[in-house]
Order: sequence, then C-alpha cells, then structure tokens
Amino acid sequence: GQQVMQIPQYQHVQEGEDFTTYCNSSTTLSNIQWYKQRPGGHPVFLIQLVKSGEVKKQKRLTFQFGEAKKNSSLHITATQTTDVGTYFCAGPYGGSQGNLIFGKGTKLSVKP
Amino acid sequence: DAGITQSPRHKVTETGTPVTLRCHQTENHRYMYWYRQDPGHGLRLIHYSYGVKDTDKGEVSDGYSVSRSKTEDFLLTLESATSSQTSVYFCAISGPGRVDGNTIYFGEGSWLTVV
Repeated sequence: GQQVMQIPQYQHVQEGEDFTTYCNSSTTLSNIQWYKQRPGGHPVFLIQLVKSGEVKKQKRLTFQFGEAKKNSSLHITATQTTDVGTYFCAGPYGGSQGNLIFGKGTKLSVKP
Repeated sequence: DAGITQSPRHKVTETGTPVTLRCHQTENHRYMYWYRQDPGHGLRLIHYSYGVKDTDKGEVSDGYSVSRSKTEDFLLTLESATSSQTSVYFCAISGPGRVDGNTIYFGEGSWLTVV
C-alpha cells in the first residue's frame, strides 16, 4: 500500500545549526503538506506544496517539493529553541483532501 | 484555533467498556476525521466523514465506529475498549467552510488509557 517515509526519525542540533528533514512517498502525490507538533500539543498545519519543483519559504523555513512529486524536504536555517517539536509530512490518501497519510515524523531537539 | 473541541480530553477506562469521544466544530466544515497517534506509528486515520451520515473507514478502523448526525459533531466509539486502544486521539476538520478550505485543522487531542 501507499507509504510515506520520513528521515531522520530524530535530530539533535545545537542552537544556530541548520536542520533538514526528508519525506519520500511510494506514489506520486498531488500535493504534500507539512505539520509541526510541539511536545504535548496537536499537529499544526505549516504549508501545502502543489506544483512540481515548488519551493516556499516561511521566514527561516524552506519547503521543497520534488520534480517527480514523490519527495519533499523541510529545511530550517539557524535553529532556535522555539523550533523544537516533531515535523510531519503528509500526502493525500484517497479522494478527500483531509484523508492524509502521514510520515512518522522527525523529532527535533535544540540544545541552547 | 479553528473552533474544534474534543471531549473528554483525558479518560481512563477499563478493558471491555464502551467509550465515546466527541468532536465538535463551529466552522461548518464538511469533512471531519478521527486519527490516533502512537509512538512509532505516527498519525493513522481511523474513520472519516464527508457529510452528515456519510462516513467511511480509514487505515485502522477495526474496533471503532463513528456517527455524524449533525454537521458540527463527529463521535468516535470504542465498542469494547482494549489495551491496544490506549492512545491519543485527534479529531481533524477540512473542506469548504468559513475557515480556509485548503487547511487541515486538528483538535487538541483526547488522551485515552485503557487499563
């Protein structure tokens, strides 16, 4: 069946270092979404990418969607302690836009 | 937040008892979902609804049932709770409504422990 794989599972960085998480789908995706979940919190929508090769930026966060629309990445420049949490990618599963299949997430810890 | 309320937020129940979790939204969204989140498994879809009385199964639907008699309410029922259903349950909404239709919103979660 359809799978979305995310690496690494954990990442520990020193504050100020960069961070990247990668997402790979077993199937071509019509779009990919990224979420952030703070410890003890709920997933919060960050962004949706739709176009092949699309790149979007949100301040220090850069999101990319691969040319084949099967992979994506999230890059954080100069991490801060506020970036701590788990980052999930998700792709559509079935016909509903909210019917998502999630990667298992990358848990980011930032050492001050 | 997108006007999603989950109840109860925390519950401890005994094996074999029925449990109902409620998701209430105030944004008139068409689509509603129940996910569970477990260490090592991430978020997995249990059931979803695309309208009143219209529901379908997700990836891990065994042992769960749902009902949606009103647009604003989506109920998740564990018919006979088992320890393997100890988890955090998240309701989510999406679709045309007063909030951005392209955005998926999650509720704050319901922590269920089955002993």
